[in-house]
Amino acid sequence: TQLLEQSPQFLSIQEGENLTVYCNSSSVFSSLQWYRQEPGEGPVLLVTVVTGGEVKKLKRLTFQFGDARKDSSLHITAAQPGDTGLYLCAGVSNNDMRFGAGTRLTVKP
Amino acid sequence: KAGVTQTPRYLIKTRGQQVTLSCSPISGHRSVSWYQQTPGQGLQFLFEYFSETQRNKGNFPGRFSGRQFSNSRSEMNVSTLELGDSALYLCASSLGDHSYEQYFGPGTRLTVT
Repeated sequence: TQLLEQSPQFLSIQEGENLTVYCNSSSVFSSLQWYRQEPGEGPVLLVTVVTGGEVKKLKRLTFQFGDARKDSSLHITAAQPGDTGLYLCAGVSNNDMRFGAGTRLTVKP
Repeated sequence: KAGVTQTPRYLIKTRGQQVTLSCSPISGHRSVSWYQQTPGQGLQFLFEYFSETQRNKGNFPGRFSGRQFSNSRSEMNVSTLELGDSALYLCASSLGDHSYEQYFGPGTRLTVT
């Protein structure tokens, strides 16, 4: 079973700052997904990346899949309080999907 | 399209009891997965059902079981509840193709006392 490590575990920043969170593994993934979960709700899919080196942008969010398809990063530009939540990455390998423990982001106004 | 629905949203049970949770997937989705989420362990995969068959299973004891009906609705059952079973139980549906893109319900918050 592949292990996905996310860092940092917790991040507290001021509105307007930039940030990057990471998702790392020793396993190669056929695809990797990022989700955001707000309190009292289920995770919501943000993006799926499938090609090594792929970069996807979703408004102020930029997702990158590592060249070797073992790691990924999520960069948020000019963070807003609405970005607050638990960011989860999930990797798919050999028809098996596993989630990382998440990065809990707090953006203070 | 309506999203994934889970019932009940909140549940309080006593140790030793059993519980059944229900999940209705997005229309057209044939795969339903169940997860347990706790502050200490994060999101843990329980099992996945596809076309009424269990397709994948996580590392949970046999007290945790599930099933899927012909209309893709799914139920999970936990027997002989333990205090450590207190958690948010999330259901997620997907098309069942190789994308594995999951659409989650709001979860059932189970408290075992």
